[in-house]
Amino acid sequence: QVTLRESGPALVKPTQTLTLTCTFSGFSLSTTGMCVSWIRQPPGKALEWLALIDWDDDKYYSTSLKTRLSISKDTSKTRVVLTMTNMDPVDTATYYCARSQYTSITIFGAIIPGYFGIDVWGQGTTVTVSS
Amino acid sequence: DIQLTQSPSFLSASVGDRVTITCRASQGISRYLAWYQQKPGKAPKLLIYAASTLQSGVPSRFSGSGSGTEFTLTINSLQPEDFATYYCQQLNTYPPFTFGPGTKVDIK
Repeated sequence: QVTLRESGPALVKPTQTLTLTCTFSGFSLSTTGMCVSWIRQPPGKALEWLALIDWDDDKYYSTSLKTRLSISKDTSKTRVVLTMTNMDPVDTATYYCARSQYTSITIFGAIIPGYFGIDVWGQGTTVTVSS
Repeated sequence: DIQLTQSPSFLSASVGDRVTITCRASQGISRYLAWYQQKPGKAPKLLIYAASTLQSGVPSRFSGSGSGTEFTLTINSLQPEDFATYYCQQLNTYPPFTFGPGTKVDIK
């Protein structure tokens, strides 16, 4: 069974750096195709994709936030860490980590490679930015 | 970046209704589109990937179609547990893996 769980501070002050940890089980980030993403959702607003790290240690970031974000996996490969610098009250949100896979599927007889969705999500952790 | 729009933003429907939500991409994304359902206080749940493939365990009343820039999510015979917010996500051109703004389906 694949599970992911987010952990980190519930409250951070403006200008501080946020560090969130995603601890997962049921899959290995060493396995070809496995990836972990971070997504956030401000209260009452839409989902916003933040970052992804893949099995090969390739990293992808939100265009608008890339200067503030860093994603990494630890040597045990059972945890992924997201850091976000210079936190602001507008960064108040629920932060989710989630698994996706780079794989291939067959559509109308053709084999198509790529990402096809985020199939397992953590429960989310709420972060409030306030002084 | 590819932008996604969804219409409507909000819809009110009754149990048993057929509901259609549209997601439009600012550029062609082939069939690299996923749909999610999110209930209040819960994480999103993957419903459909590759525009029309039902995720394992998702009821067959959910269906998806489209390719290129226009996609639809249809719920046949809306059930009480289907009242939620639905998001599309493009996975063709990244980063970022953009989400749409969401469509809230409420009880009439």
